[in-house]
Amino acid sequence: EVQLVESGGGLVQPGGSLRLSCAASGFTFSSYEMNWVRQAPGKGLEWVSYISSSGSTIYYADSVKGRFTISRDNAKNSLYLQMNSLRAEDTAVYYCAREDSNYPDYWGQGTLVTVSS
Amino acid sequence: SYELTQPPSVSVSPGQTARITCSGDALPKKYAYWYQQKSGQAPVLVIYEDSKRPSGIPERFSGSSSGTMATLTISGAQVEDEADYYCYSTDSSGNQFGGGTKLTVL
Repeated sequence: EVQLVESGGGLVQPGGSLRLSCAASGFTFSSYEMNWVRQAPGKGLEWVSYISSSGSTIYYADSVKGRFTISRDNAKNSLYLQMNSLRAEDTAVYYCAREDSNYPDYWGQGTLVTVSS
Repeated sequence: SYELTQPPSVSVSPGQTARITCSGDALPKKYAYWYQQKSGQAPVLVIYEDSKRPSGIPERFSGSSSGTMATLTISGAQVEDEADYYCYSTDSSGNQFGGGTKLTVL
């Protein structure tokens, strides 16, 4: 069974940093591309970042470019999102999602990031 | 930037057919995907590559695409289908979700 479990969310002050993790199991992690997708309270889904299976290709949404860094450790079956210079508008539930043939097919349950003073 | 446009809400009675549209300039060349999200839960894929249904998704869910518009159809909508639905597609500028459509079945 495919499982994705996010962790690392919490309350952080504006301008602060946070590192999210996503532990993957039930599939060959190193063979799949991965994404981070977020959802602000009461709002829609927003794609945040993509990383290829090897980590060699990375994309970001314009809203996070230069502040967030996606990475992965295939030996640990883990995906990460380093978030710096956080703003109030980054407050959201952050989901990691496996990608299959250009679309997210499995999603974790998400971790809440709250940016507030 | 690339945009996908959905109606904010659709309402039907149980047993009726619900249609949710998604418009985007790249849809003639790119597949559309549809996700269902119930309150407090992670999204679930219900349609991929315009019209394919993942295993475990009821047959009442179907998809189509023509020109710049993709459509999710729920034939004989059930109360349990009440949820937010998002279309998704990609283009050279990145991945994009539609704004979401709240389906009310009552």
